[in-house]
Amino acid sequence: QKEVEQDPGPLSVPEGAIVSLNCTYSNSAFQYFMWYRQYSRKGPELLMYTYSSGNKEDGRFTAQVDKSSKYISLFIRDSQPSDSATYLCAMSESGSNYQLIWGAGTKLIIKP
Amino acid sequence: DAGITQSPRYKITETGRQVTLMCHQTWSHSYMFWYRQDLGHGLRLIYYSAAADITDKGEVPDGYVVSRSKTENFPLTLESATRSQTSVYFCASRRIQGISDPSEKLFFGSGTQLSVL
Repeated sequence: QKEVEQDPGPLSVPEGAIVSLNCTYSNSAFQYFMWYRQYSRKGPELLMYTYSSGNKEDGRFTAQVDKSSKYISLFIRDSQPSDSATYLCAMSESGSNYQLIWGAGTKLIIKP
Repeated sequence: DAGITQSPRYKITETGRQVTLMCHQTWSHSYMFWYRQDLGHGLRLIYYSAAADITDKGEVPDGYVVSRSKTENFPLTLESATRSQTSVYFCASRRIQGISDPSEKLFFGSGTQLSVL
């Protein structure tokens, strides 16, 4: 069993829909949770960062961490075709990048 | 241009050949990383470097060699390429280690797609 599980998709939704992307994990010591967005043929870029449990909002994006369920989510409101990308979750115990554990990524397609 | 650049973008080679992937960053970031990305596996860390002349193994270092004689360059060498090393390789950098400041994120290059025949 992988430490971090993420449905690869693809997830296809119409423009304007609310999107929910999720990751589950097995290591209860994870404290730092990140979402990266990766466009085709590009490197990932940091989208959201959360420490421990709770919600964090940034514009149309909301990151949610439920440590009791070992489950993290990324919500995208009013989805746009430009949101079409692969979304990777990443997490670590200490926050050090050499200890980041990555999900496999979910491919998201927003249909105009 | 400022940023992190990788070369080549695409590379085809044969098993047993030596291949070097280049990574150059213009920010003078201390930390640099090499990842490979394969379908179903996400990103896996190969090697990382905390500063010039300081390197350490990541999760999947076998078959790879790195060096960092200058802060801005971090080449990755496959000494004798194998088919299992067919992958997309990403170089990344970060100003400091740790994540106490959420803005201290990883910056990735655009990747090198390597095919070993």
